[in-house]
Amino acid sequence: GAGVSQSPSNKVTEKGKDVELRCDPISGHTALYWYRQSLGQGLEFLIYFQGNSAPDKSGLPSDRFSAERTGGSVSTLTIQRTQQEDSAVYLCASSPQTGGKNQPQHFGDGTRLSIL
Amino acid sequence: DAKTTQPPSMDCAEGRAANLPCNHSTISGNEYVYWYRQIHSQGPQYIIHGLKNNETNEMASLIITEDRKSSTLILPHATLRDTAVYYCIVSRSSNTGKLIFGQGTTLQVKP
Repeated sequence: GAGVSQSPSNKVTEKGKDVELRCDPISGHTALYWYRQSLGQGLEFLIYFQGNSAPDKSGLPSDRFSAERTGGSVSTLTIQRTQQEDSAVYLCASSPQTGGKNQPQHFGDGTRLSIL
Repeated sequence: DAKTTQPPSMDCAEGRAANLPCNHSTISGNEYVYWYRQIHSQGPQYIIHGLKNNETNEMASLIITEDRKSSTLILPHATLRDTAVYYCIVSRSSNTGKLIFGQGTTLQVKP
C-alpha cells in the first residue's frame, strides 16, 4: 500500500519568504509527527499530532514555525520569514496510534528545504 | 526519556552477520527499544522493537539483555544494501511516542 508521502521533495526559496510543506500520512494512521534533519544536528522532533490536535509542540524552534492537520489526515508545516538556518530535510512520520501498543512510525522521504 | 550510546561506525563483510550494539543503562521498565535505519537520501525505516524478550522478524533479530541495559541488533546475512546509519532509540509507551534520535552507527557493508 501507499506509504507516507511528502511534497515537494525539494524546495529552494529566498530568505524571508514563507514556505509550506505537506505530509500525507498512511491512511488510517491517527498519529503524525514532524522531524527535522540538519547537517551536524541529526534528527530532531518538531511536533506531534493525535488526530487534529497537537498535544506536543515542544520541538518547534520558534514562533515562525507552525503546523496544522485537518480531517485527521493531511498535515502542513509552515515556516514564516525563512532564515538560512531553516535549511534542512523535514521529515514526516505516521503511526496507527500512540501509547499502549507501541506501533512503529513510518517515515516519508522528506522535503529538502534550501534557503538562499 | 532514556539515552542510548552506540559506536559511531562499524564495518561488516558482505554475507556475514552484522551485530550492532546499543547501551541504554537508564532505561525505565515501561520503555521499549526501537531500531531504525536510514539509507542515504531516504527517510528512516523501522526495523524492529522490543520490551524484554528477544524479537525476530524478516529483517533482523533484537537481543535484549536480562537487565535491559543493553541490546544488540543482528542482521544475519548483511548485503551491500544494508549500508546505512542505524539508530537505537528508547521510547516510553505512555508518552507521545516521539522518537529521540542520537547519532547512530554508520554500518558499512563491504564486498
